[in-house]
Amino acid sequence: DQQVKQNSPSLSVQEGRISILNCDYTNSMFDYFLWYKKYPAEGPTFLISISSIKDKNEDGRFTVFLNKSAKHLSLHIVPSQPGDSAVYFCAAIPYSGAGSYQLTFGKGTKLSVIP
Amino acid sequence: DTAVSQTPKYLVTQMGNDKSIKCEQNLGHDTMYWYKQDSKKFLKIMFSYNNKELIINETVPNRFSPKSPDKAHLNLHINSLELGDSAVYFCASSYRRQGSNEQFFGPGTRLTVL
Repeated sequence: DQQVKQNSPSLSVQEGRISILNCDYTNSMFDYFLWYKKYPAEGPTFLISISSIKDKNEDGRFTVFLNKSAKHLSLHIVPSQPGDSAVYFCAAIPYSGAGSYQLTFGKGTKLSVIP
Repeated sequence: DTAVSQTPKYLVTQMGNDKSIKCEQNLGHDTMYWYKQDSKKFLKIMFSYNNKELIINETVPNRFSPKSPDKAHLNLHINSLELGDSAVYFCASSYRRQGSNEQFFGPGTRLTVL
């Protein structure tokens, strides 16, 4: 019962183009979403987040879009750079009334940016 | 000035042994976590401690016992290791508050049980 799904295990993009990574969730109690980036042999590092009261959050080349009605979020990277090549994890946290601040992760999407 | 550190980075051991993984954070966070990333690459929460108190305990065999001597440390002890325990274990820390719950992860400990 995957509550956070990243249906594309991998994505290849040319340098300079846009990378779009997608994430779907099933639990309507989720109200905060995060993207993490992971290089091999390292721990995940926080990239960007979005609260459910927003539909967009931007930080430099990274933008996260949230569509609550579709239970879908996406991460856009523009322009993509070779150093962006990594595994990207989508994660979600339920509303605090649920009594937990537990992160639920997707399986990850491996992004390869081709020079 | 590592934020979240884990030792050891690699651990190779025989079935049936008992081993520990240590985690320390110097970020002043009040909550620490252990995650397991299995062969299918899923990152799953195992435990969480807030101010040395256990607040999350997912369905994990009781051979796994976390210990938090203080807010900055959360160690993981594993008894009677089994082949299926082979995985990468990540420690993480954060502030426990609604909304901004960015968790900071350690580099991981790759455990191989032979």
